[in-house]
Amino acid sequence: DAMVIQNPRYQVTQFGKPVTLSCSQTLNHNVMYWYQQKSSQAPKLLFHYYDKDFNNEADTPDNFQSRRPNTSFCFLDIRSPGLGDAAMYLCATSGGTGGHETQYFGPGTRLLVL
Amino acid sequence: GNSVTQMEGPVTLSEEAFLTINCTYTATGYPSLFWYVQYPGEGLQLLLKATKADDKGSNKGFEATYRKETTSFHLEKGSVQVSDSAVYFCALSLSGAGSYQLTFGKGTKLSVIP
Repeated sequence: DAMVIQNPRYQVTQFGKPVTLSCSQTLNHNVMYWYQQKSSQAPKLLFHYYDKDFNNEADTPDNFQSRRPNTSFCFLDIRSPGLGDAAMYLCATSGGTGGHETQYFGPGTRLLVL
Repeated sequence: GNSVTQMEGPVTLSEEAFLTINCTYTATGYPSLFWYVQYPGEGLQLLLKATKADDKGSNKGFEATYRKETTSFHLEKGSVQVSDSAVYFCALSLSGAGSYQLTFGKGTKLSVIP
């Protein structure tokens, strides 16, 4: 089945220690998104890639970076995690014949910062 | 700007009860409307969608009708099950080039008790 895969499902890091979260997709969609979701809140868009074009949301902290080496993979790098960065991180994709209006989400990576 | 307002939770129902979760929106243009469901510890799953006025989206016994005159997209199910316990997010997306952001409501937590 075509899907969005996120690894790991749970990630523990230390305050200030860089961490990378990964996302891969078999949908061959050209747009990939990263969201941050804190407890009992709606997901908040951090940035998205349209093909190789990177689009950052205006209020996304510089501490968050992203890489997309090819169509299938996208990474979220947190350069110096703080306690406030503990959250669920969701990857999503859109594109193909369904257009860009519908986004398909992965299972998420829950990040814990000690 | 665009916004989505959905009823505050939590909502607690007995099994086989009727469910309604209200959702209203404001948008410039003609949005597509979505309901996503998030089970505990999981990512978001697309439950149903509607892309134009009077469309009815349906899936797994859930349905919602795009009402342009009342700017609403209420989620309904005739008989809920314990397995429907989750958080439900109403969202909108404006179709067209460059419009890739989903605008979410705050989510409604549903608990179904046997």
